[in-house]
Amino acid sequence: GNSVTQMEGPVTLSEEAFLTINCTYTATGYPSLFWYVQYPGEGLQLLLKATKADDKGSNKGFEATYRKETTSFHLEKGSVQVSDSAVYFCALSTEGTYKYIFGTGTRLKVLA
Amino acid sequence: GAVVSQHPSWVICKSGTSVKIECRSLDFQATTMFWYRQFPKQSLMLMATSNEGSKATYEQGVEKDKFLINHASLTLSTLTVTSAHPEDSSFYICSARAPTSGVYNEQFFGPGTRLTVL
Repeated sequence: GNSVTQMEGPVTLSEEAFLTINCTYTATGYPSLFWYVQYPGEGLQLLLKATKADDKGSNKGFEATYRKETTSFHLEKGSVQVSDSAVYFCALSTEGTYKYIFGTGTRLKVLA
Repeated sequence: GAVVSQHPSWVICKSGTSVKIECRSLDFQATTMFWYRQFPKQSLMLMATSNEGSKATYEQGVEKDKFLINHASLTLSTLTVTSAHPEDSSFYICSARAPTSGVYNEQFFGPGTRLTVL
């Protein structure tokens, strides 16, 4: 079946460090891929998205490239800030269904 | 655009009572809404999918008589937790799919409702 695998957290970085959060998926067809961010006590906010191979989603300095050959959608940011501390969820939505499948989430903590 | 609200944002109730949570799409008509449950430090678990004017489709293991979902209009879905017990305490999040979600199948999420059952 379809699934999303994210790297285990928590990830602790110093301010201005480089961030990578790995996400790989298993799906039939051509899923849409998403990264969502959740701040404490809040719902999910869309960070970026991509719908086909080699698409790059980007927003607020975050980037992720849809790699079909490696079935990956890794999240990257060149220089993290304390305000980026949150939980990040990778998700997919497959063709023909509106359901999301979420990864387990990766908690990021950025220290000043 | 594509804003989803939830009400209340938090609720505390006594064991055995029922609690209703509302999910509204504020600036679009939601053809499909979803209800998720999130346990502390865990991912979101899809509970059910609701389409306006029809019965909700529940995921395996979710008690439909326990979690009543009504999608009475294109902008409102409600989740009622009936005869709530402490194990029902959780963070409940709704999302909505807009007609313009298009190829992304994007869902728009509400801010969540924290339910605590004493």
